[in-house]
Amino acid sequence: SQQGEEDPQALSIQEGENATMNCSYKTSINNLQWYRQNSGRGLVHLILIRSNEREKHSGRLRVTLDTSKKSSSLLITASRAADTASYFCATDDAGGTSYGKLTFGQGTILTVHP
Amino acid sequence: DAGVIQSPRHEVTEMGQEVTLRCKPISGHNSLFWYRQTMMRGLELLIYFNNNVPIDDSGMPEDRFSAKMPNASFSTLKIQPSEPRDSAVYFCASSFHGLNEQFFGPGTRLTVL
Repeated sequence: SQQGEEDPQALSIQEGENATMNCSYKTSINNLQWYRQNSGRGLVHLILIRSNEREKHSGRLRVTLDTSKKSSSLLITASRAADTASYFCATDDAGGTSYGKLTFGQGTILTVHP
Repeated sequence: DAGVIQSPRHEVTEMGQEVTLRCKPISGHNSLFWYRQTMMRGLELLIYFNNNVPIDDSGMPEDRFSAKMPNASFSTLKIQPSEPRDSAVYFCASSFHGLNEQFFGPGTRLTVL
């Protein structure tokens, strides 16, 4: 399996519900990031959480990081139809000089029904 | 800033032809990344540069693929000769080393017939 695996692969919810996506990784990291990709577009950075942080908020987004379990979760509260997209976690792996290289997971496809 | 610029946005070519994809990173960014995305393989890092120097090209699938970054504002990814299995969306991304967030271009959708 790969560094940065998201779970579930696909999630379908109703508008107003919360959406939770999980990410697991294998190596030690400097930070973990979440990105969003709308169909036919490039990825857009959502939020970054450093390895010494446990939780971070940005608007309706809440990210948690558990380095002991090598896992992270992204919670989107009060979802909207416009949140429909693919969501990717990406890790900046510790050790050596990476020059900003990230390892991306396979992504979770979120569909929010109006 | 206009963001990362990629051209062309769409490319349809025939097997055996040379394909050149172009990228202009965000001004001031010093790392540039080329990715390929397909349904089957997801998002794959092909090669990345720092200060115009290739750092890691281990993701380049084979010798048919080559990339250059002649200066801080321009990079190319070339496929010669192209094959149908090269059909994918190719993304370029840039970042400023130290801030770590990557900014993606809109991608080039390549179809090789």
